[in-house]
Amino acid sequence: GAVVSQHPSRVICKSGTSVKIECRSLDFQATTMFWYRQFPKKSLMLMATSNEGSKATYEQGVEKDKFLINHASLTLSTLTVTSAHPEDSSFYICSAREGGETQYFGPGTRLLVL
Amino acid sequence: GQNIDQPTEMTATEGAIVQINCTYQTSGFNGLFWYQQHAGEAPTFLSYNVLDGLEEKGRFSSFLSRSKGYSYLLLKELQMKDSASYLCAVRDIRDNDMRFGAGTRLTVKP
Repeated sequence: GAVVSQHPSRVICKSGTSVKIECRSLDFQATTMFWYRQFPKKSLMLMATSNEGSKATYEQGVEKDKFLINHASLTLSTLTVTSAHPEDSSFYICSAREGGETQYFGPGTRLLVL
Repeated sequence: GQNIDQPTEMTATEGAIVQINCTYQTSGFNGLFWYQQHAGEAPTFLSYNVLDGLEEKGRFSSFLSRSKGYSYLLLKELQMKDSASYLCAVRDIRDNDMRFGAGTRLTVKP
């Protein structure tokens, strides 16, 4: 199946700093990428959808100025958590869709804000 | 909006069969997905249904009834490694985005 990578896999940062997470589709061109967050023992919550070359579409309740998404190319999307706070600590997962039906998930990034 | 409901937890015995149900409400159905997620890992794709009926893939099968807003995931010949969360997700035709149910945590016991 298609491969999606995320970097970093784990990050610990101080409160107030910004963290950038990269999502790459390795063997296909992703027309659409998705960003989810997941709290422990909870399901995935869609944060935003990004299409290459256009602005991301954010879900209700997700602050676009706090969670900056840039879909710079057909193989790369980045999520930047700006001025991170402890409540932003979570598991962030990206997924990518080539244009067909299936979304492929990256391995996730575990963020811990101290 | 969408309401996606599935049981929170289920327990089954190794070698047995288990059925995980999912009901949903959506104004624009455009496909239902099942994913498996082990603790601390990202979800992995299991199945996709967009038409009514049963899709079989090895030990896993998924069924869909669009008129009833109902799907199930059937796992046969359970193995210990099948202990995981199983997520039902529905795609909406309006925005083509996929939204997840809360997941069913399956525990397989010897």
